[in-house]
Amino acid sequence: IAGITQAPTSQILAAGRRMTLRCTQDMRHNAMYWYRQDLGLGLRLIHYSNTAGTTGKGEVPDGYSVSRANTDDFPLTLASAVPSQTSVYFCASSEAPGTGGDYGKLFFGSGTQLSVL
Amino acid sequence: GQNIDQPTEMTATEGAIVQINCTYQTSGFNGLFWYQQHAGEAPTFLSYNVLDGLEEKGRFSSFLSRSKGYSYLLLKELQMKDSASYLCAVMDSNYQLIWGAGTKLIIKP
Repeated sequence: IAGITQAPTSQILAAGRRMTLRCTQDMRHNAMYWYRQDLGLGLRLIHYSNTAGTTGKGEVPDGYSVSRANTDDFPLTLASAVPSQTSVYFCASSEAPGTGGDYGKLFFGSGTQLSVL
Repeated sequence: GQNIDQPTEMTATEGAIVQINCTYQTSGFNGLFWYQQHAGEAPTFLSYNVLDGLEEKGRFSSFLSRSKGYSYLLLKELQMKDSASYLCAVMDSNYQLIWGAGTKLIIKP
């Protein structure tokens, strides 16, 4: 089934631990994104990648890192988790930057509910 | 700063029509997007407007006025399955999406 797969679905993590959220897509989209979604706030961009081998910082990058070794995979790492990183994390992808419509039509994974205690 | 405003919550009756408004102030404009998000699920794309006017897609329509920094999503013949949050997002001059907090739409029988 074509789309984006995220893992794990949910996780409870002790503060200070390292955690990697996995994201894989099979649509051959060049652009990929990591968002966090918190109650009462809009989706906030953490990091993005316009193509394999490149990454960029979004609105809230502190405490997170990403890599894009190939087109399909875009893992998000929390080096040392803190309670403020408790959130729902969504990975998304879109076609290569071109017209705004293609670039802004995002396909989302099912999300990871992360709780940092 | 960049800002997207939409109502937090709206209630409507099954079979009726509802209009969800979105106003924006962004650095540049490369299109406005509406997404639907059911509780506990991921957002899914609904519509895209880049020129002024109305885009119709079945029961859903989206309108844009760039001069007013304003859009609305119109849902007709409401069904219970339309109960969801509706997210407005604007693509700025850097081709980054700026998201509103979403409007939770409650449909009553």
